[in-house]
Amino acid sequence: KAGVTQTPRYLIKTRGQQVTLSCSPISGHRSVSWYQQTPGQGLQFLFEYFSETQRNKGNFPGRFSGRQFSNSRSEMNVSTLELGDSALYLCASSPVGGANTEAFFGQGTRLTVV
Amino acid sequence: GENVEQHPSTLSVQEGDSAVIKCTYSDSASNYFPWYKQELGKRPQLIIDIRSNVGEKKDQRIAVTLNKTAKHFSLHITETQPEDSAVYFCAADLGNEKLTFGTGTRLTIIP
Repeated sequence: KAGVTQTPRYLIKTRGQQVTLSCSPISGHRSVSWYQQTPGQGLQFLFEYFSETQRNKGNFPGRFSGRQFSNSRSEMNVSTLELGDSALYLCASSPVGGANTEAFFGQGTRLTVV
Repeated sequence: GENVEQHPSTLSVQEGDSAVIKCTYSDSASNYFPWYKQELGKRPQLIIDIRSNVGEKKDQRIAVTLNKTAKHFSLHITETQPEDSAVYFCAADLGNEKLTFGTGTRLTIIP
């Protein structure tokens, strides 16, 4: 069974631009969560999607948004990029999501904003 | 507020010695506590987890202990090996249907 796949692996963007990241979950997994990882801050929860609906949201500004498609693939969008958005963005999938089950992470997309 | 505190942030131990990482959490309703290991340049992977109905769980050289009264849980790695070098994250379900992660511990095993 293929693991969680994130594309692209690396991105360099300029301040003010927008970016879209993609996550393909493990086959059969209906929940996709997104995290921002920065040195010293650990993994900060962005949001969770389940069956095409946002089920939970972290404390990030509205510039961060996401969606999920009928095949459970998910995209995350960041608009009006700021230097502080530079981070590793990880997605994780699980069969039914929530907080009481193992999350399977992708390799991440490393975003650099210059 | 909702948070999980993790200590220490860095830890170096001699190969063969034990390593202990501790986390405290804020919500007494929490009942799921996983630990993830992230090797350099790789994805985080679950190594062990514990639920609130047990106090300790072991899997070969790793173990996790949970003290619900004190609201803390710890990861214990015995007979450390070079491949144990990684960043370790604890996490807890703080009753809000999402996992809250600690800030991570960079463990270095000295040969």
